[in-house]
Amino acid sequence: ETGVTQTPRHLVMGMTNKKSLKCEQHLGHNAMYWYKQSAKKPLELMFVYNFKEQTENNSVPSRFSPECPNSSHLFLHLHTLQPEDSALYLCASQPGDVVNTIYFGEGSWLTVV
Amino acid sequence: QKEVEQNSGPLSVPEGAIASLNCTYSDRGSQSFFWYRQYSGKSPELIMSIYSNGDKEDGRFTAQLNKASQYVSLLIRDSQPSDSATYLCAVNGPSGSARQLTFGSGTQLTVLP
Repeated sequence: ETGVTQTPRHLVMGMTNKKSLKCEQHLGHNAMYWYKQSAKKPLELMFVYNFKEQTENNSVPSRFSPECPNSSHLFLHLHTLQPEDSALYLCASQPGDVVNTIYFGEGSWLTVV
Repeated sequence: QKEVEQNSGPLSVPEGAIASLNCTYSDRGSQSFFWYRQYSGKSPELIMSIYSNGDKEDGRFTAQLNKASQYVSLLIRDSQPSDSATYLCAVNGPSGSARQLTFGSGTQLTVLP
């Protein structure tokens, strides 16, 4: 238990569906991130939020839409995804923006059919 | 384009042996270096961080950094079957910001009983 909780753990969605991934951290951290992990590829940073303000969008397609209502919660809204978007989506948090120890959630396995 | 290179493996070692995992990086300005362990189906877990040249030991793990050669390694002494996992090398840029944290693709390690 890392203190970062992600739901759902597994999600299967059609290309026309709209779904959301949720992340909650109980560590009092100020920075939260979304990463994508595809098979045999490095972790890709998607979005960075620092004090609930988005500070980075790594050229992520608009079919992925993040939301950070407060420093404890982070959402990733998904719509009209493609099969190649199937991956493990990891949420992470840490005390501030300077990397020291990143705490990852267990991840949400997404399959787009 | 900053790159972090790791041999994908699989690397197999017998129980009790020393496992040696290697990582090279392209950005000479990199300042902080991390090793994560990821069990199959689980999220990455930080096991070592190193910031200056030389060796850093923590239990059975030793991280080695050589900035001149742009090389960082992880040694696991007395390898156990429970060490079987994928090991991710991560390298951070001069600012220390998560925006500059780059992961390698990981090396899969199998420790044979």
